[in-house]
Amino acid sequence: GEDVEQSLFLSVREGDSSVINCTYTDSSSTYLYWYKQEPGAGLQLLTYIFSNMDMKQDQRLTVLLNKKDKHLSLRIADTQTGDSAIYFCAEGDSGYSTLTFGKGTMLLVSP
Amino acid sequence: DAGVIQSPRHEVTEMGQEVTLRCKPISGHNSLFWYRQTMMRGLELLIYFNNNVPIDDSGMPEDRFSAKMPNASFSTLKIQPSEPRDSAVYFCASAQDRDQPQHFGDGTRLSIL
Repeated sequence: GEDVEQSLFLSVREGDSSVINCTYTDSSSTYLYWYKQEPGAGLQLLTYIFSNMDMKQDQRLTVLLNKKDKHLSLRIADTQTGDSAIYFCAEGDSGYSTLTFGKGTMLLVSP
Repeated sequence: DAGVIQSPRHEVTEMGQEVTLRCKPISGHNSLFWYRQTMMRGLELLIYFNNNVPIDDSGMPEDRFSAKMPNASFSTLKIQPSEPRDSAVYFCASAQDRDQPQHFGDGTRLSIL
């Protein structure tokens, strides 16, 4: 079945850039998503990219997709303490509604 | 616009009791999803509906779990009887259509004693 892998933890200093990586196995993935979860809250959709794109930029967020290697990354520029949260990568197939989520990467931003 | 609304936010009950979780999707969204999140298993899809019809319930763990969507603006997830291992955070999400991004509610934190 499909699998999505993420590193569990990332620690950065405020003002630095953060890069969160994700790999997936389903070659028919059409959509790839990044969600953010703060303590006690639901998953907030941050951004998503279609598989026919290589890059998408949205303010401080840059998503890079290497479809050949099935590798997705999320770069957060000028990381702030408010960016501390768990970030989930998810992939979806246009033929189905369901998403496969990674286990999440906990980002800790220190002042 | 209001997001996905779930109730209650927290539920603590004794094992054997019936538990009902509620969800109101975003208006105009045709797809609704129920997920369960635990430390051990991460985020698991339990069931999803499209146009109020259950499409895939293969993630429902046991017959003790059931879900309904009587209309486009309301869904319930019921556990009867509840067991301690059902303790988790249950999320509802909705999407405009099958292949559109999913938007999550804030979840129900369920504790079964």
